[in-house]
Amino acid sequence: ETGVTQSPTHLIKTRGQQVTLRCSSQSGHNTVSWYQQALGQGPQFIFQYYREEENGRGNFPPRFSGLQFPNYSSELNVNALELDDSALYLCASSLIGENYGYTFGSGTRLTVV
Amino acid sequence: QKEVEQDPGPLSVPEGAIVSLNCTYSNSAFQYFMWYRQYSRKGPELLMYTYSSGNKEDGRFTAQVDKSSKYISLFIRDSQPSDSATYLCAMSDDNNDMRFGAGTRLTVKP
Repeated sequence: ETGVTQSPTHLIKTRGQQVTLRCSSQSGHNTVSWYQQALGQGPQFIFQYYREEENGRGNFPPRFSGLQFPNYSSELNVNALELDDSALYLCASSLIGENYGYTFGSGTRLTVV
Repeated sequence: QKEVEQDPGPLSVPEGAIVSLNCTYSNSAFQYFMWYRQYSRKGPELLMYTYSSGNKEDGRFTAQVDKSSKYISLFIRDSQPSDSATYLCAMSDDNNDMRFGAGTRLTVKP
């Protein structure tokens, strides 16, 4: 059974640029959630995808968008990067309805300069 | 006031000590309560979850939920240096978003 894998592990971008982060779900899971974890803080919910559609969203602006593919992998896209977007971005997969059984990847560390 | 409050520590204890980690919350709709462990440069790993109030034990770990007080705890018995990590409490209602505490950084010294 494979876990959740994310790529890339580290990324440096310039303010105003766009970035795409990728996530492969754990085998057997059908939902993908994305979280932003600033340094010294707990993860904050960005959104969840189920059946290739957004299935809930946290308090993040529209420049944060996502996709889920038929194989349950997912992308997080962030446009017009701001310095405050610098954080660890975590992907978590689960089975729909299981509000506790989240498996997290190791994250992508994004630095915006 | 944050929806989930957790003392960030840091907390340092000697090997073999009993560790107590706590969170308080304000949203009475929360029904699922989780504890995650996060090692440096890794994603959170689910340790324990509890539905509604009560206690749950798993080896050296015990989770307690008191919904009347909006207070949850994680106890670690016979702590080991390998337990050194950041511990995150998390909770959710029937929706999809988990709300995390800020995490408590724990160091267990040999």
